[in-house]
Amino acid sequence: GENVEQHPSTLSVQEGDSAVIKCTYSDSASNYFPWYKQELGKRPQLIIDIRSNVGEKKDQRIAVTLNKTAKHFSLHITETQPEDSAVYFCAATNARQLTFGSGTQLTVLP
Amino acid sequence: EPEVTQTPSHQVTQMGQEVILRCVPISNHLYFYWYRQILGQKVEFLVSFYNNEISEKSEIFDDQFSVERPDGSNFTLKIRSTKLEDSAMYFCASSARQGPGEQYFGPGTRLTVT
Repeated sequence: GENVEQHPSTLSVQEGDSAVIKCTYSDSASNYFPWYKQELGKRPQLIIDIRSNVGEKKDQRIAVTLNKTAKHFSLHITETQPEDSAVYFCAATNARQLTFGSGTQLTVLP
Repeated sequence: EPEVTQTPSHQVTQMGQEVILRCVPISNHLYFYWYRQILGQKVEFLVSFYNNEISEKSEIFDDQFSVERPDGSNFTLKIRSTKLEDSAMYFCASSARQGPGEQYFGPGTRLTVT
């Protein structure tokens, strides 16, 4: 089955700086890669996703890149704000079940 | 904007008891899921459901678990005889499309087994 590794587990950045979270996956058949943001005690919320026919996708301050050859994908957040502080999960699938990474606790320091 | 809802928000039960967790998926969605998240850990897939039957299930989803869509709106997860290690947050999710795509999560039910 699919295995997703996520790094780093914790990340602290100064407000206004960029944050990068990286994930690798094992199943070359995976073709859908969503990123979820989870605030403490709340539901995971989809913030951006990418499919395997695309190398990069951007939505305002958030971007995701995908390298199918190396089987890794990354989340980039620019101009970070305190409200970006949360746990971020990557996931991968080629079917319906999502396999999640272990999460990154992002803290944006004011 | 429509959302997935779940009840109860918190359920406390004694070991060995049966629990039923309830979910109302987004109304035009056809694919339903249950995930669990043990405190401080990652979200883990349990089961997917489509057209009144299980599509996929993980190793976690053993004979103690079952799912049902008893009517046109509810989607339930039953744990027959709870164990301490079943304590976790259980998330229901739904999606509109076949194959990989956006899944919308409910707020979760925190299950505590004592």
